Amino acid sequence: EVQLVESGGGLVQPGGSLTLSCAASGFKFSNFAMSWVRQAPGRGLESVAFFSAGPYYTDSVKGRFTISRDNSRNTLSLQMNSLRVEDTAVYYCAKGVSSGRGLFFDYWGQGALVTVSS
Amino acid sequence: DIVMTQSPDSLAVPLGERATINCKTGQNLLYSFDDRNYLAWYQQRPGQPPKLLISWASNRESGVPDRFSGSGSATDFTLTISRLQAEDVAVYYCQQYFSPPYTFGQGTKVEIK
Repeated sequence: EVQLVESGGGLVQPGGSLTLSCAASGFKFSNFAMSWVRQAPGRGLESVAFFSAGPYYTDSVKGRFTISRDNSRNTLSLQMNSLRVEDTAVYYCAKGVSSGRGLFFDYWGQGALVTVSS
Repeated sequence: DIVMTQSPDSLAVPLGERATINCKTGQNLLYSFDDRNYLAWYQQRPGQPPKLLISWASNRESGVPDRFSGSGSATDFTLTISRLQAEDVAVYYCQQYFSPPYTFGQGTKVEIK
């Protein structure tokens, strides 16, 4: 059974840093692209970063967030620096299905809430 | 970025009736090389993460009830729930995976009338 378990969420002040982790199990982690998708309160979904052959970031987090993976520990991470109020969201870890051109997501974790507030 | 626009934003349908959700994309998602549409549909029930329902515009995932179906091509797509059940109350999202960033529609909330 595929499981994705996020950790590391919490309350942080604007300008602060936080690191999210996602522990994966039930599949061969190294064979799949992985992504972080966030959802601001009461809002829709936004894919902020993924790691396929290499990392990719959406423009709004480029230069502030770093996605990484440890295939030996089946772990995906998201280092978030210079956090802004607008980064407040539930952050989901999602397993990617590579289509040749891009990714869709067949398994999702329960999410980690990140609140950026003074 | 490819803009995804869903309609309506919300709809209320009687139990057992049909629900139809539309997704219009700002770019053609039909790739001529393989003749496939790079579009997925997700269901998000209250308090839950999204769940993949359909990929490739019309390919229903394993375990998804056959009352869910996807159709459309290029820039216009539809998710149909043929006979709405109580457990189908959720927000539904379309997502393009033609090119990054992989953008989602704003969501359509489905309720029971």
